[in-house]
Parts: sequence; C-alpha cells; structure tokens
Amino acid sequence: GAGVSQSPSNKVTEKGKDVELRCDPISGHTALYWYRQSLGQGLEFLIYFQGNSAPDKSGLPSDRFSAERTGGSVSTLTIQRTQQEDSAVYLCASSFPGGRGTDTQYFGPGTRLTVL
Amino acid sequence: GENVEQHPSTLSVQEGDSAVIKCTYSDSASNYFPWYKQELGKRPQLIIDIRSNVGEKKDQRIAVTLNKTAKHFSLHITETQPEDSAVYFCAEAYSSYKLIFGSGTRLLVRP
Repeated sequence: GAGVSQSPSNKVTEKGKDVELRCDPISGHTALYWYRQSLGQGLEFLIYFQGNSAPDKSGLPSDRFSAERTGGSVSTLTIQRTQQEDSAVYLCASSFPGGRGTDTQYFGPGTRLTVL
Repeated sequence: GENVEQHPSTLSVQEGDSAVIKCTYSDSASNYFPWYKQELGKRPQLIIDIRSNVGEKKDQRIAVTLNKTAKHFSLHITETQPEDSAVYFCAEAYSSYKLIFGSGTRLLVRP
C-alpha cells in the first residue's frame, strides 16, 4: 500500500512569511509524529498525535509553530513568521495501532524548507 | 534527560569488511531501540530494531546487540557492500511514543 506522503517536497519562502506543511499518514495509522532534521543533524521530535489530539507538543520550538490533525488522518504543520533558523527538512511519521514508542514508525519523504 | 550518543560520526570501510556503530542512552526505562538508514535525499528507513527483553537480533548481514546494564546498543553490518553507504541513526523510546535519535553515522563503503 501507499506509504506516508508529504507535500510540498520543497518550499522556499521569505523571512516573515507563514508556511503550511502537509502530511498524509499510512491509512489506518492512528499515531502521527512530526520531526525536524537540520542539515547534517539527527531528527528532533516536534509533536505527536494520537487520533486528532496532541498529547505532547513539548518539542515545538516556539509558539510560531503549531500543528493540527483532522479526521484522524491528514496533519498540517504551520510555521508563522518564518525565521532563517527554521530552515530544515520536516519529516512526518506514522505508526499503528496505538502510537506506543515500540510501534514501528514509518517516515515520509520530508519537506525541505528554506527560509531566505 | 533525553540523550543518545552515537559514535563514530563517520566510518569508512573496505567492501567486504564489517562495520560497527555504537550508541549509548541515559534513561534506564528505555525499552525500544530501532536503527534507521537514510540515503542521501531519501526518507529514513527502519532496518532493524530490538526490544529490551532481547540481547541480540540478526537479519541477514545486519545484527543489533543490546546491553541494558551498560545502557548501550550497537549495529553490526557484515560483508559490507557499496549500497550500504548511507547515514545510520540509532534511536530509543523512553516513554510511550517519541523516539530520541542519535546524531547519525555516515558510513562509506569503498569498492
């Protein structure tokens, strides 16, 4: 079946603009995660969804970052008033069934965000 | 706190040789340890994982070992091939959901 998909694959924006990144998880996966990968670095946890609720938003770097998930499926990560330090690859992952850390997380291809 | 140390940061081996990457974690409650392979410009792909009730797991040329007492786990790749060249990330789950990743090891297999 189809894997996790993300759009856009690349996004170039000007400092101060808002951006929206989209994630389509694997069908039936109830848990969804957002990570950020800066150039040459590891993956940094941002937020976790179980269904439509986000029990843990502790990884969001600032209040400029927000995310939502509707219908237990698609998720959108929004970054307001983008800054140059927001430039990174934003990766989404999903897992089934319960979102436990021991459930395999499958990653999407990521969105490469460049803030000029 | 949440921390996974991964070594080495880069590793170059001759084709056919073995490669070993080591990770150390800090939280004794961690119970899940996956390894991901990421080729340039591609998504991370799970290659093997191990849970805390097992000391070793093998899958063809790949094996992972876990030492809970010392809080470290290692990835072993035998008979390396050029297509093994990639960045490898270890991770650990210390709570119910989020993965804490190491900083990655760039593996180069020389033909």
